[in-house]
Amino acid sequence: AQTVTQSQPEMSVQEAETVTLSCTYDTSESDYYLFWYKQPPSRQMILVIRQEAYKQQNATENRFSVNFQKAAKSFSLKISDSQLGDAAMYFCAYRSWLQGGSEKLVFGKGTKLTVNP
Amino acid sequence: NAGVTQTPKFQVLKTGQSMTLQCAQDMNHNSMYWYRQDPGMGLRLIYYSASEGTTDKGEVPNGYNVSRLNKREFSLRLESAAPSQTSVYFCASNGFGRGPANYGYTFGSGTRLTVV
Repeated sequence: AQTVTQSQPEMSVQEAETVTLSCTYDTSESDYYLFWYKQPPSRQMILVIRQEAYKQQNATENRFSVNFQKAAKSFSLKISDSQLGDAAMYFCAYRSWLQGGSEKLVFGKGTKLTVNP
Repeated sequence: NAGVTQTPKFQVLKTGQSMTLQCAQDMNHNSMYWYRQDPGMGLRLIYYSASEGTTDKGEVPNGYNVSRLNKREFSLRLESAAPSQTSVYFCASNGFGRGPANYGYTFGSGTRLTVV
C-alpha cells in the first residue's frame, strides 16, 4: 500500500524568508500524481501545487515550487518570500489506485507552518 | 460558485444518536469521497463512490454508512454515534475539468462533529 510520510510535524519561518517542507512516499507505480494542500485555520483544503510523475520538470506556482526526486521518492515544497498568510497546515498527498480503476488520495500527517513577523 | 457543499458545518451529538452529513457537488464529477481528519493523523478515507450507484469502503468504514443518491449527492450516516467518531469530516469530489490540466480534487469546507 502506498504511504506518505511528512517527517516535520512543525516548522517555522521568518516573514520574507524561504522554507522547505519535506515529503517522502512509497509506491511501486511509475505513473502517479502528487499534491500539496494547504489548510488554514478556516479548515478549507486548498490545492497549492500538483506534480505529474511523468514530467521531469518541477512544478511551480508563483512563490511555491517543488523539488520532485522520483528515484528517491521525495516531493518537497519550497515556499519563497514567506508571507503571514502562508501560516497553515500543509499536507502532502499521493494519488493511489483502488480496485475497479477508481482512485483516492493518500495523505501524510501534515506539517504545521508558522510564519513569524 | 462551483464546488462542493457540505452541511452542517458544526454538530454536537450525544452517544447513540444518529445523523446524516450531506454533500453535493456541481462539477459533474463521477467520484466522491468522505474523509475524516483527526489531530496528527492527516485525512483518512471512510467511504468513496467511483460513480453514481456504486459505493465502497475506505480505510476506516466501521460505524458509518453512505448513500450516493445521484451524481451530485453523497451522504454519510452515523447510525449510533460514539465518542471515537469525534472528528472533522470532509467530502470531496474528483474529476477532470476542461482537459487533464484541470484534473484535481475539490473539498468541501468540512463538518466539525463532537460526540459527547
